[in-house]
Amino acid sequence: AQSVTQLDSHVSVSEGTPVLLRCNYSSSYSPSLFWYVQHPNKGLQLLLKYTSAATLVKGINGFEAEFKKSETSFHLTKPSAHMSDAAEYFCVVNPVNTGGFKTIFGAGTRLFVKA
Amino acid sequence: NAGVMQNPRHLVRRRGQEARLRCSPMKGHSHVYWYRQLPEEGLKFMVYLQKENIIDESGMPKERFSAEFPKEGPSILRIQQVVRGDSAAYFCASSPTSDPYTEAFFGQGTRLTVV
Repeated sequence: AQSVTQLDSHVSVSEGTPVLLRCNYSSSYSPSLFWYVQHPNKGLQLLLKYTSAATLVKGINGFEAEFKKSETSFHLTKPSAHMSDAAEYFCVVNPVNTGGFKTIFGAGTRLFVKA
Repeated sequence: NAGVMQNPRHLVRRRGQEARLRCSPMKGHSHVYWYRQLPEEGLKFMVYLQKENIIDESGMPKERFSAEFPKEGPSILRIQQVVRGDSAAYFCASSPTSDPYTEAFFGQGTRLTVV
């Protein structure tokens, strides 16, 4: 079975400091992993995706994530937080080789950015 | 190219009424997915449709809920005899293929409130 766990429900950082949002996954196959961001009362926007081409994936707005197979992790980072980064972030795994399409969302991590 | 369009954005229904949520996928996308997001939770997969076909409805309640994606027109998620517990945000996403390594594009959601 495939699953995804976001290790922190809330993360608070000061503007200008690094951001780390943690995600662990479980998958029997080479996983398909994504990070999405949701601003209040808005839809979800894709930040980045892992497609097995490279373990370090760069996304929009300065975010990046590193796929670590040995740790089954796909943590999201950003060197310097901006106030506009305050939002909910979802780590997502798409099932591979299961014949279905039950996209699995993590429970989300709410990022707070203090001035 | 317009994004995924959902309407209405907000819907209020009394208990026992019917709710109809519409989703127009991005141009060229024939794969549509519906998700439900309860307050403070991640998105939960409900149903995956292609034109005129339901591919996977394993996440949809067996009673009162139905979905369709006709040859012409938007995809419709229909909830009959709504109850308070149906209050949630319902998101639609579309993609051009069923390839699990291809991201889905999300609409802004319909927020259903049952009073």
